[in-house]
Amino acid sequence: DTGVSQDPRHKITKRGQNVTFRCDPISEHNRLYWYRQTLGQGPEFLTYFQNEAQLEKSRLLSDRFSAERPKGSFSTLEIQRTEQGDSAMYLCASSLQTEGGYTFGSGTRLTVV
Amino acid sequence: KNEVEQSPQNLTAQEGEFITINCSYSVGISALHWLQQHPGGGIVSLFMLSSGKKKHGRLIATINIQEKHSSLHITASHPRDSAVYICAVGGGADGLTFGKGTHLIIQP
Repeated sequence: DTGVSQDPRHKITKRGQNVTFRCDPISEHNRLYWYRQTLGQGPEFLTYFQNEAQLEKSRLLSDRFSAERPKGSFSTLEIQRTEQGDSAMYLCASSLQTEGGYTFGSGTRLTVV
Repeated sequence: KNEVEQSPQNLTAQEGEFITINCSYSVGISALHWLQQHPGGGIVSLFMLSSGKKKHGRLIATINIQEKHSSLHITASHPRDSAVYICAVGGGADGLTFGKGTHLIIQP
């Protein structure tokens, strides 16, 4: 297991296009989180899955954002009708409920032009 | 919602110096995390603390639950320690709440 993988590493898209990011967590981790980080700021919580259930969504996650974790394995984060304000680093992290430590992916840097 | 404050925001020091980064939070927690982020985005978890003190190599993390305060210390600092150090609290359904980070530069 090589840790948490995120794909793609970088994405440049035109405003109004849809984008989808993928996160592959550590296989035995049942918790998966998505965060967004803008330049100079700490990451902000977007959403959380325990197994395949999406248990919490931040108000930052507008109706243009949707996340899934089918079968409790990998997760996808989709942004529809992208806006320039969506430009950020999107980070995925996973953890094992019984341990609590987090492993972060390297992130997907989105640039909306 | 927990408020997480870190200080200093920026720190430049000479190689070999003892470094201290502070973190305070507003609401009682079950665990606090110290994370390291290098340019390009990758975040590495350094410590998870619920009480007392932990040490890993030249890094030491302490937490005072009553005072809602934690410190990260780096002994014998080295240029490769240059990174952003982030304090985060919480977890579970609400996710982590992060501080803005401390940008550390260690000069040779």
